[in-house]
Amino acid sequence: SQKIEQNSEALNIQEGKTATLTCNYTNYSPAYLQWYRQDPGRGPVFLLLIRENEKEKRKERLKVTFDTTLKQSLFHITASQPADSATYLCANAGNMLTFGGGTRLMVKP
Amino acid sequence: NAGVTQTPKFQVLKTGQSMTLQCAQDMNHEYMSWYRQDPGMGLRLIHYSVGAGITDQGEVPNGYNVSRSTTEDFPLRLLSAAPSQTSVYFCASSSRQLDTEAFFGQGTRLTVV
Repeated sequence: SQKIEQNSEALNIQEGKTATLTCNYTNYSPAYLQWYRQDPGRGPVFLLLIRENEKEKRKERLKVTFDTTLKQSLFHITASQPADSATYLCANAGNMLTFGGGTRLMVKP
Repeated sequence: NAGVTQTPKFQVLKTGQSMTLQCAQDMNHEYMSWYRQDPGMGLRLIHYSVGAGITDQGEVPNGYNVSRSTTEDFPLRLLSAAPSQTSVYFCASSSRQLDTEAFFGQGTRLTVV
């Protein structure tokens, strides 16, 4: 079955820098990958979706890439702010969503 | 719009008790699902539904029942609560299966003692 893997270690960066989070998948290439943000005590909130035939997708300070050769998606936040601190989840959109474990991002002022 | 509403927000059960977690959405979405979230485990799919009258099992269905009698509601039933079911439960809905965002409720934090 498909597995979605994210770095479980927290990522600490300085305000203003670019944060890069990694999502790796096993087995077949998913038709779609989705990225969500989750704040403590809240449900996940959708950020971006990227299709298999799209190499890159942007939305404001967010950028997602999809590399089917490496079986990997990268999620970038440019000019990061303390308000970007949260857990970011990658999900494979198959029968239903299959989530990775999430990566916690801490942006220090 | 209220979106996806879950009740209750918090619940403490004794081992062996039963209860129903409620989930309602007002977006006329066909697809609804239940996830549990445990530390270090991410979100794991319990059950899902692709429309009224249709349900299917996810990754971790044991100990849970669901039904979908209306488009709006998708309750999750714990038949006989066990400490292993202590978790945070999220309900989600979406209009299509693959290429659209899912909307999540605020979650129910369940503790089984």
